[in-house]
Amino acid sequence: GAGVSQSPSNKVTEKGKDVELRCDPISGHTALYWYRQSLGQGLEFLIYFQGNSAPDKSGLPSDRFSAERTGGSVSTLTIQRTQQEDSAVYLCASRTNGGGLYGYTFGSGTRLTVV
Amino acid sequence: QKEVEQNSGPLSVPEGAIASLNCTYSDRGSQSFFWYRQYSGKSPELIMSIYSNGDKEDGRFTAQLNKASQYVSLLIRDSQPSDSATYLCAVHSGGGADGLTFGKGTHLIIQP
Repeated sequence: GAGVSQSPSNKVTEKGKDVELRCDPISGHTALYWYRQSLGQGLEFLIYFQGNSAPDKSGLPSDRFSAERTGGSVSTLTIQRTQQEDSAVYLCASRTNGGGLYGYTFGSGTRLTVV
Repeated sequence: QKEVEQNSGPLSVPEGAIASLNCTYSDRGSQSFFWYRQYSGKSPELIMSIYSNGDKEDGRFTAQLNKASQYVSLLIRDSQPSDSATYLCAVHSGGGADGLTFGKGTHLIIQP
């Protein structure tokens, strides 16, 4: 597609429920990143996918968080047993190949509210 | 620990003046540097990239890089109220996640 697409744009869930957030990167972009941004805070790296390589999960805050990327394209971030501290905007970004030469293109984000 | 530091602001600049945003980074091996603009409630938008020491100009925006001082800045000339946003500095250091390390951003307010 023309841009990075994320869905849903907003999600309100009850504490303890599982949620799935979806990211559809720009066609042909091999690198995909998930970040989260809490109110007034900076961007917190969560996970990184590059082509068919094993993902870098070093930023996932707990084992309640997981992500997958199917067919090198669409990615799903799953949060199990949600907690109130999980409330944040979850941003997906993709980048073309070329290492660090190129900046990311971000999606519009999913605003998650855990009540 | 790779760090990118920015003054959180708010930085208030009168309309038509030059806004100067600064960023320092800890990893001397950093290779690529980016400025993102983020309007309230929106996602970050890439506005400038710079890779070599010196200045890079794009319209009203100029990015400046000094690798010896580990310092990168963004100048916005003829500031407009529409420039009011949070500006994020991002640095790529290579290796690892091959990703960017972001500063927490500077909140810029252009006063009409």
